[in-house]
This record gives sequence, C-alpha cells and structure tokens, in this order.
Amino acid sequence: DIQMTQSPSYLSASVGDTVTITCRASQGVSNDLGWYQQIPGKAPKRLIYAASSLHSGVPSRFSGSGSGTEFTLTITSLQPEDFATYSCLQHNSYPFTFGPGTKVDIK
Amino acid sequence: QVQLVQSGAEVKKPGASVKVSCKASGYSFNNYAMQWVRQAPGQRLEWMGWINTGNGKTKYSEKFQGTVTITRDTSASTVYMELRSLRSEDTAVYYCARGPLYLLDFDYWGQGTLVTVSS
Repeated sequence: DIQMTQSPSYLSASVGDTVTITCRASQGVSNDLGWYQQIPGKAPKRLIYAASSLHSGVPSRFSGSGSGTEFTLTITSLQPEDFATYSCLQHNSYPFTFGPGTKVDIK
Repeated sequence: QVQLVQSGAEVKKPGASVKVSCKASGYSFNNYAMQWVRQAPGQRLEWMGWINTGNGKTKYSEKFQGTVTITRDTSASTVYMELRSLRSEDTAVYYCARGPLYLLDFDYWGQGTLVTVSS
C-alpha cells in the first residue's frame, strides 16, 4: 500500500497568513493527488484535484502543486472559514489512501 | 446541483450487518463512480471500495474483501454499501462520494452515516 504522510500535523496561524501543507507519498503517484478540507462533524470537501487543479467554486487563495511523491497545498490570506483539517488522497494505486490530516487552528 | 443524501445513523450489535444507502441527484447517475470511505473516531479517512454505477462493476479494498458489498439501483439513483460481521472497530462515519470515471477521485460527498457497533 502507498503510505501518505503530511507535515505539519498541526499548525496555528492568523487570519491573513499564508500557510503551506506538505503531503508525501511512499511511492510515486504521478499527479493522482487530491486535497480535501474537513470541518469537525462535516463531510470532506474537495479543494484540489490532479495535484494542482482547483475544484469548481473553491476560492483562488487555495492552490496545489507537486507531482510524484511530494505535494503541497498553499492557502494565501487565510480566512476565518479556512480553519479546518486538510487531508491529501492518492488515487493512483489500490488501495486508495489518505494522509493523516493537518489541523489548521486559529492563533 | 450535485447532492448525495445518505441514510440515517445505525446502532448494531457485533456480528450483525448494516446497509447504508446513498441517493444521488443533480447529475447523470450512470456516468460516474461512487466511492465509499469511512472515518473511525480520531482516525484518518479510509477507502473501502467503489462501484461503476453504469455497469455495476465493483472494486474493493483487500481489507474489506469478503465483508463489504456495494450495489446500485439505477432506477432509484441510489447506491448501497453493506458491511457484514460487524465488530466494534467498525464504529465509524461512513461516507459515499461521487467520482468521475476518468479520474476516480472524490468530487462530491454525502453527509455521512454514523454506524455504531456495540453490544
């Protein structure tokens, strides 16, 4: 199975900050990588697909990059509604696997 | 707009089975995959399997092979996930998520169904 790791596992930031989250795969997944936002008690929402494409309706302050084994999610000018947990997903090889999540908290 | 509405919370005893439904609307049901994912308390999301709602073919995670069955009713635009031989470790929120067949990721999600397994 492809193991997905994320760093950091937790970060504290202020409104207006720029934050970057890294996702690493134990083997190459091409660009079959998505990013999801989850608020406690709610279903995940797709932000990014194919590593760098913005899901319809998602604000442009979210961006993704990377290919192969290392990927990043960047949120510029953090907004109050962005405080949530962010997870990556690889769907290149079975079983599809998710990262453990990065919780973004308010400083 | 795309909507996936799941059935309500369930409480089951160990050894029992549970069947969760996911009713789709707002798009052409037969042209997408439907994925199933679960999240145990405090754990990461875990992929279970998917069904091609057009032809009914399925793919399951090896972890769930033999205990999960995903089916669909095209006339009702509904997908079902049945999990058998439940154990306490199966206590989780179960999600359905639509996936484009060419990409097989998860673009829209249901609201989740809490399944609690307890004696």
